[in-house]
Amino acid sequence: KQEVTQIPAALSVPEGENLVLNCSFTDSAIYNLQWFRQDPGKGLTSLLLIQSSQREQTSGRLNASLDKSSGRSTLYIAASQPGDSATYLCAVSLGSNYKLTFGKGTLLTVNP
Amino acid sequence: GAVVSQHPSWVICKSGTSVKIECRSLDFQATTMFWYRQFPKQSLMLMATSNEGSKATYEQGVEKDKFLINHASLTLSTLTVTSAHPEDSSFYICSARGASGSGNEQFFGPGTRLTVL
Repeated sequence: KQEVTQIPAALSVPEGENLVLNCSFTDSAIYNLQWFRQDPGKGLTSLLLIQSSQREQTSGRLNASLDKSSGRSTLYIAASQPGDSATYLCAVSLGSNYKLTFGKGTLLTVNP
Repeated sequence: GAVVSQHPSWVICKSGTSVKIECRSLDFQATTMFWYRQFPKQSLMLMATSNEGSKATYEQGVEKDKFLINHASLTLSTLTVTSAHPEDSSFYICSARGASGSGNEQFFGPGTRLTVL
């Protein structure tokens, strides 16, 4: 059974700092990995999707990497802003059924 | 990106009643829709997968007679919580996956907050 772990569970940083969120998964035979953002009481916003054959994806100040063999992904956020404050979720898909297994998320607070 | 809507955004009902939640893909055809539930400070747990025109596939431990799923068209799936009880109170989120060209990305709705009194 696939398990997804996110570390740290919570992170508080001053505005402008670069930061890294970590995600690990137990079954390396993934189809793809997605990073999401969730604001309190809201749905999910997809940030980045990395296919199993890819090493990284970038969108603006966000960069996600994938090391399938070690079962790890990182989300790098450059020059953090208060508006980045949210819970960041990592999810992996194992195969053609496209089911996602989610981690518990990292609650990020960026202080002005 | 693709847009998925849910209705209602929140609902409060009495114990024993049934509640229907709609999930719509607004600008693409969704061959597969997924239903998740999320308890406070917990992650999303997949409840079931529904493909248009066929019966939903439920995850282990999810009662199919309690959580009725209908995926009658390529843009609409519904989740009906039957005879709701307080323990069913949760945040229900749907997602949709397009037929092709999307890299198998799932697009999520804004969620429905269900409170059962």
